[in-house]
Amino acid sequence: ELVLTQSPGTLSLSPGETATLSCRASQSISSSYSAWYQQRRGQAPRLLIYATSTRATGIPDRFRGSGSGRDFTLTISRLEPEDFAVYYCQQYDSSPTWTFGQGTKVEIK
Amino acid sequence: EVRLEESGGGLVQPGGSLRLSCGASGFVFRASWMSWVRQAPGKGLEWLANIAYDGSAKYYVASVRGRFTISRDNAKDSVYLEMDNLRVDDTAVYYCTRVSTTGYENFESWGQGTLVTVSS
Repeated sequence: ELVLTQSPGTLSLSPGETATLSCRASQSISSSYSAWYQQRRGQAPRLLIYATSTRATGIPDRFRGSGSGRDFTLTISRLEPEDFAVYYCQQYDSSPTWTFGQGTKVEIK
Repeated sequence: EVRLEESGGGLVQPGGSLRLSCGASGFVFRASWMSWVRQAPGKGLEWLANIAYDGSAKYYVASVRGRFTISRDNAKDSVYLEMDNLRVDDTAVYYCTRVSTTGYENFESWGQGTLVTVSS
């Protein structure tokens, strides 16, 4: 069973700072199948990054995804007020199953 | 513009059944895999089920396999989730999603969700 562990649970930062979010998989995953989602309070999630580093339509270049194997990272540069939200990583394995991490909350310090 | 609109949520007693619907527009529905994802109050996201574009393949997370059934009607641009033997821990917002058409196995579009509350 694939398990995704996100860290930290909460990140307290100020606007303009850089957020670095981590997602570690319990087994090695193809980089084609790693994605990140943003969920603002009271809203549905939306796709930010897929295939590890490709930004979804309309996502600003402040959002950058990277990683390989078991470790994947979402970096948000120059935090804007609208970026304070919960972020989920998601990966796919060939079982097939689609798995989410437990989420990282980026909050205003 | 891609639109997904869920309906059918509500209050149901433990052991009861409910059928969720999701109407789609703005894309070629019959060419898209579809999925249901849920979120319990204050918790994270949980993938539940996927269905192939023609309904020929269906996949479920272990916790709902045998209780939930995903289906679709391409003539109505709709996907459904039939939920039986509901438990208190099935209480959640249920999202309909469109699976990536590029083969990258992510959820590229989401509805606003419908709330299911299982309680006596």
